[in-house]
This record gives sequence, structure tokens and C-alpha cells, in this order.
Amino acid sequence: TQLLEQSPQFLSIQEGENLTVYCNSSSVFSSLQWYRQEPGEGPVLLVTVVTGGEVKKLKRLTFQFGDARKDSSLHITAAQPGDTGLYLCAGARLSDTSGSRLTFGEGTQLTVNP
Amino acid sequence: KAGVTQTPRYLIKTRGQQVTLSCSPISGHRSVSWYQQTPGQGLQFLFEYFSETQRNKGNFPGRFSGRQFSNSRSEMNVSTLELGDSALYLCASSARTVGYGYTFGSGTRLTVV
Repeated sequence: TQLLEQSPQFLSIQEGENLTVYCNSSSVFSSLQWYRQEPGEGPVLLVTVVTGGEVKKLKRLTFQFGDARKDSSLHITAAQPGDTGLYLCAGARLSDTSGSRLTFGEGTQLTVNP
Repeated sequence: KAGVTQTPRYLIKTRGQQVTLSCSPISGHRSVSWYQQTPGQGLQFLFEYFSETQRNKGNFPGRFSGRQFSNSRSEMNVSTLELGDSALYLCASSARTVGYGYTFGSGTRLTVV
């Protein structure tokens, strides 16, 4: 079973602070995806990283895929209350023979206080 | 374009009953996956359907089954419901290419009493 370890599980910070969420695995994935989920709703895709060492920026969010494609990080600069939510990393495996599936980390519940 | 539509949004069922959940993927997407989300286990993969065939299955008992129709719409069925089946059931639609993300529906909240 491929597992994704996500840390920290909970994070409560003040508006304007920076934070980093980590996602680690012993397995290689076709791609690694980050989602954000609001209560009672499905996860919403933030970014997909495919190439080892890849860095993607989405406004104040920076995503990095490890060189070996086994780990990833999400860094948020100057966090705002609107960033509050559950952040999920997910490793994607795609195979013609075994189909496709996402393996999710446990999630990081982020609270940004005004 | 329309997103992923899941119906119903909420369901309350009694132990021992069965339930059918429905998912309409994004137009043009032929891959539909189902996930179960609970506070204790997080998001767990149930199965994936592509072109009406189950291509991948997670570690769930045979009480959990699904199917996909020629228009890519998918249904998931759970028979002989147990209290532990209470969860948010999420459907995800994908173009099924490397680097392409998944679009999730809002989910069906199933409560078994």
C-alpha cells in the first residue's frame, strides 16, 4: 500500500504569517496533486506537479515536487483568513493495466486567525 | 462547463438497507472514481470506472459496487448498510492523462442509523 504522510495535521497561525505543509512517501507517483476542501464540499484541485524538481506558483502559494517524485511541499506566504481550510496532497498513479487512482494524505487543517 | 454532479446530497438510511448514489462527470471525461471520506480514515479510494469497465478497486468489501453507463454517468451501490458506512462519498471525474487533475463533486453525505 502506498502511503502519503502529510504534516502537520493541524496548523493555527495569525494573518500575515508564512507556513509550509509537507507531503512525504516512499513510493513514486505519476504526479502529485494538492487540493483544498471546505466543510461539506468536495476537494478542489489547486495544482498538479509532474516533473521531479518542479516548482509551481499560484499567487501566494508555492508548490514543489521532490527530485525523486516521492515528496512535495506547499508554502503559503502572508496567509490570509480566506486561506483557512483542509489542504490535501494526493499521489496519482496512472497505468493502462491497473487503472488510475489517487492516494491521499491525512490532510492539514489550516486556520488563519485575523 | 458544468462540473461533477452528485445526487442526492444527503441520505439517511437504516442498517441493513441498501443505497444507490449517482454521479455525472464533466462532459468528455470517461474516467469516474469514487472515494469514501470519514474523519478517522480520511479519503479512501473505492473504485475507478473507465469506458464502462471497472479498472481499479480499493480495499472495500464486496458490499460496495458500482457501474458506469455508456454516457459515462456512474452509480455506486452499497448493500446491507452498516453504521460504519456513514461517510461523505465523493465522485471524481478525470480526463485520465498524466498531469491532469481530478474534479470532485460536492459529495453525498450518507448517514446510517
